[in-house]
Amino acid sequence: DQQVKQNSPSLSVQEGRISILNCDYTNSMFDYFLWYKKYPAEGPTFLISISSIKDKNEDGRFTVFLNKSAKHLSLHIVPSQPGDSAVYFCAATDQQAGTALIFGKGTTLSVSS
Amino acid sequence: GAVVSQHPSWVICKSGTSVKIECRSLDFQATTMFWYRQFPKQSLMLMATSNEGSKATYEQGVEKDKFLINHASLTLSTLTVTSAHPEDSSFYICSARDSGGNNEQFFGPGTRLTVL
Repeated sequence: DQQVKQNSPSLSVQEGRISILNCDYTNSMFDYFLWYKKYPAEGPTFLISISSIKDKNEDGRFTVFLNKSAKHLSLHIVPSQPGDSAVYFCAATDQQAGTALIFGKGTTLSVSS
Repeated sequence: GAVVSQHPSWVICKSGTSVKIECRSLDFQATTMFWYRQFPKQSLMLMATSNEGSKATYEQGVEKDKFLINHASLTLSTLTVTSAHPEDSSFYICSARDSGGNNEQFFGPGTRLTVL
């Protein structure tokens, strides 16, 4: 049973436009959500996170939105740049319990110039 | 941010040999470390939770006798792939949870294992 789902395996966006990556989760115990960026043959790099007590967190070009009632979060990248092309993983954890991160399957973002 | 290192970054070995991968937290203590595996074009899958001074907890389907985990100190966990086979070829990533922080996890750069 997949607790964290990224239903879009890929997304193509033009440079300068907005990229929206979506993630759904099923475990209501998750209280902390993270987005990671990953290049081939490298470890994931932390991008941005959000606690369940918030509904939005912004860091430069990256904004994460959390809709707890829908168990849905999204990552917005604006404006998108070619260097943003990578695989983006959504992850969730029960931070109170200190559990391991549960990852989605990832979305490959391609930003064309 | 906190740094986690992994060694080696890549390794090629013959089938039947054992390979040890080290995961170190460089500037913080981690009573808990996690080992993940990623097959091509798939997500990171949790293999086991490594606790300092006690036995690791393995996820369902992960053979504990094949993937030996030792968490001997607060800054080092090792994963040994015993009697490696080509199907063990994968990308292995560790993460360390900052014991003094808010349970934040920091990831290592990963180790690419290729078994011939």
